[in-house]
Amino acid sequence: QLHLEQSGAEVKKPGASVKVSCKASGDTFSSYAMYWVRLAPGQRLEWMGWSNAGNGNTKYSQDFQGRVTITRDTYASTVFMDLTGLRVEDTAVYYCASGSSGFPWFDSWGQGTLVTVSS
Amino acid sequence: DIVMTQSPDSLAVSLGERATINCKSSQSVLSRSNNNNYLAWYQHKPGQPPNLLFYWASTRASGVPDRFSGSGSGTDFTLTISSLQAEDVAVYYCQQYYTTPLTFGGGTKVEIK
Repeated sequence: QLHLEQSGAEVKKPGASVKVSCKASGDTFSSYAMYWVRLAPGQRLEWMGWSNAGNGNTKYSQDFQGRVTITRDTYASTVFMDLTGLRVEDTAVYYCASGSSGFPWFDSWGQGTLVTVSS
Repeated sequence: DIVMTQSPDSLAVSLGERATINCKSSQSVLSRSNNNNYLAWYQHKPGQPPNLLFYWASTRASGVPDRFSGSGSGTDFTLTISSLQAEDVAVYYCQQYYTTPLTFGGGTKVEIK
């Protein structure tokens, strides 16, 4: 099981981009798929995408297709989530997560990164 | 997409009493190949990340007290807290992982009456 540590809060203007990092420790990072989930005020948890273990291939939610990019630096045991074209409604807490089973349920979570989008 | 619908939206229960949360999926999340339900439950407290409670609908995650139980199959699932404790105040979410996009229920807020 991984311990996940995320980068700090961000404030961005509409139209800008944000890159959130998530550093893993405690186990072999390359063995884990890494996921991004967000929680916007008054909304439900929302899966954004994942990066596969090993080859780092990605899969994204259609709701974010074209705006989100997930990358991983295996040597730094870090996964990144890049979200472009920010809108006010992208204001949310963004979480990285992983699952020790290989199935996409999440038994490890980062502490969350608040991204505020405001003009 | 599989839509996950939870009920009720919120629930106030006396300490020591039972709390029951329902989760319904718009299509079955039961795999015929392995007879497993691809459903997880999480507890989410303010200022903390969500915490996994159950996977495969009824398999308790490590460290989860046995007053919590998960049940159901196919499209209808239940999370039960048999004797509510003060530390159980939280929002509870179900999640299906049968197919992408992975989807969550809208959450059920559990409070003390």
